[in-house]
Amino acid sequence: DTAVSQTPKYLVTQMGNDKSIKCEQNLGHDTMYWYKQDSKKFLKIMFSYNNKELIINETVPNRFSPKSPDKAHLNLHINSLELGDSAVYFCASSRKGLAGGIGEQYFGPGTRLTVT
Amino acid sequence: SQQGEEDPQALSIQEGENATMNCSYKTSINNLQWYRQNSGRGLVHLILIRSNEREKHSGRLRVTLDTSKKSSSLLITASRAADTASYFCATVFISSGSARQLTFGSGTQLTVLP
Repeated sequence: DTAVSQTPKYLVTQMGNDKSIKCEQNLGHDTMYWYKQDSKKFLKIMFSYNNKELIINETVPNRFSPKSPDKAHLNLHINSLELGDSAVYFCASSRKGLAGGIGEQYFGPGTRLTVT
Repeated sequence: SQQGEEDPQALSIQEGENATMNCSYKTSINNLQWYRQNSGRGLVHLILIRSNEREKHSGRLRVTLDTSKKSSSLLITASRAADTASYFCATVFISSGSARQLTFGSGTQLTVLP
């Protein structure tokens, strides 16, 4: 009965490789997100996406791309991995909130990416 | 940056005591949310307070919001060892066009000693 799931939980890879992280939600939410949490626990939005609109944080390198095969999935693909990409990546989902805002978000367990 | 700032960065208390964490932000908001993150886990939503609300309760949690001061506080009463976690405030700020992203604060690490 997992609400938001991510795979893999741990990912260790070498610089220059391409990798993907998968995310699935079974909550029927219409919006999904990717966040990056650094070693100081600072959490930063990377993307928000529903079936109509992709909002990209302007600081995210174009090596990162979200791919959504359907409303329940938002995968994160990363090209040419760099050392600085090492972090914990969280997927989340939410319903569209009142007055165009957003309500509570449900987070996945995170994927710890280590680039060597 | 429009991110929130949390105070204190770390808080250590004895079981049974109350814990208060503060959050300040810079721009007008649609709502403010508090999340908990246990070590090695994802974030869990605790409470949402809208910009037209001043106080909200949920079990042992009490959240206040002062939009004139652009600040919020989270009070955990009668703390337990299981409350040990990082606590984050997150704002949905009003920007031109949309208010669809959460901007997280830097977090407060709460340690409750048994």
